[in-house]
Amino acid sequence: EPEVTQTPSHQVTQMGQEVILRCVPISNHLYFYWYRQILGQKVEFLVSFYNNEISEKSEIFDDQFSVERPDGSNFTLKIRSTKLEDSAMYFCASSSQGYGANVLTFGAGSRLTVL
Amino acid sequence: GQQLNQSPQSMFIQEGEDVSMNCTSSSIFNTWLWYKQDPGEGPVLLIALYKAGELTSNGRLTAQFGITRKDSFLNISASIPSDVGIYFCAGYYNAGNNRKLIWGLGTSLAVNP
Repeated sequence: EPEVTQTPSHQVTQMGQEVILRCVPISNHLYFYWYRQILGQKVEFLVSFYNNEISEKSEIFDDQFSVERPDGSNFTLKIRSTKLEDSAMYFCASSSQGYGANVLTFGAGSRLTVL
Repeated sequence: GQQLNQSPQSMFIQEGEDVSMNCTSSSIFNTWLWYKQDPGEGPVLLIALYKAGELTSNGRLTAQFGITRKDSFLNISASIPSDVGIYFCAGYYNAGNNRKLIWGLGTSLAVNP
């Protein structure tokens, strides 16, 4: 079964450092998403991406965050200068077009720990 | 902003019992999704609902799209230990020309063997 893969599974970084989280969405999907989940809390939307541009972003997705699709397969989330409160699980998701665009398939997540 | 009220927040049940959880909102939704999240994993889709009144099953799971389009429930029959996890509802609603997806806060399920 096709799946969304994310790397790294866990990253520990010092506050102020840049972090890049990588995702390989399902190959025929066209919509890509990043979500965040702070430990024990709900899943929070960060950003959606379609046709090589951001289609929607939440207020969490401030200037410290950026997304990129550098090639035909990867979708990355960059946090420019990490803060302690950025510690969370970050989930990438993708969906196909049309009717299937309603259903998001999630990766297993990347756990970010900021010290 | 719009909110989804998911209840209960947590449940602790005995193996074999049936489970019911629901999500409600003041807004009208055009799609409901139910996901399960195992510890340390990403959410996995259980059931998607697209029409008011729709009742869909996936094994021991049954979900319904409320007739008012403002709510949905998920039932699990004859629970087993591997049902443990967090169950999230999510729904799409129309906001102007856009379609937005919002999430419930989750129902944490513990099953005592």
